[in-house]
Amino acid sequence: QQPVQSPQAVILREGEDAVINCSSSKALYSVHWYRQKHGEAPVFLMILLKGGEQKGHDKISASFNEKKQQSSLYLTASQLSYSGTYFCGTELRAGGTSYGKLTFGQGTILTVHP
Amino acid sequence: NAGVTQTPKFRILKIGQSMTLQCTQDMNHNYMYWYRQDPGMGLKLIYYSVGAGITDKGEVPNGYNVSRSTTEDFPLRLELAAPSQTSVYFCASSPWAMGNTIYFGEGSWLTVV
Repeated sequence: QQPVQSPQAVILREGEDAVINCSSSKALYSVHWYRQKHGEAPVFLMILLKGGEQKGHDKISASFNEKKQQSSLYLTASQLSYSGTYFCGTELRAGGTSYGKLTFGQGTILTVHP
Repeated sequence: NAGVTQTPKFRILKIGQSMTLQCTQDMNHNYMYWYRQDPGMGLKLIYYSVGAGITDKGEVPNGYNVSRSTTEDFPLRLELAAPSQTSVYFCASSPWAMGNTIYFGEGSWLTVV
């Protein structure tokens, strides 16, 4: 089941903040966040694990609500370089191992203007 | 640092032709994946492998085949190409399962005409 991201698109001015949400109907082990610029590969930003552990980027923060199976990515004091499409990828908390397989959301397009 | 290397970067195929997308990683990762990304969409898992000799289907395996004879290589074979296979293909790898960073290759742009 594909996670649902919201909003679908965000337009900001430099210095403004944004929040991108990712919601799943299934129990999750981890949520991965990626940013992708047009014509390029996804770039890893952050992993949030069941139990609260985070691994990732110094300048970006995120949260993972295990009860609601929701994650939010917080972009503060946005820069022009933050523009791109943000994807969440969810790893299911199955009975055994998920083998690291991710199911990706449809993406959130973030545009930062000067 | 090579990481995950994919070839070719761009390819145009005619309907019915076959081809192989190559993927190599030099990080000694056990887990490897093939994803496809259609325009304006998220990535969908085609096949994955948990080690040499072990592969399994992902969400959208029809029309594709894979093999994993070594830890480093995970080629994706397209048989009888169809326009619906026009997409960007990403190979990825991870050191082990559950909550680890997945490293993506730069992508292969495939057009079937």
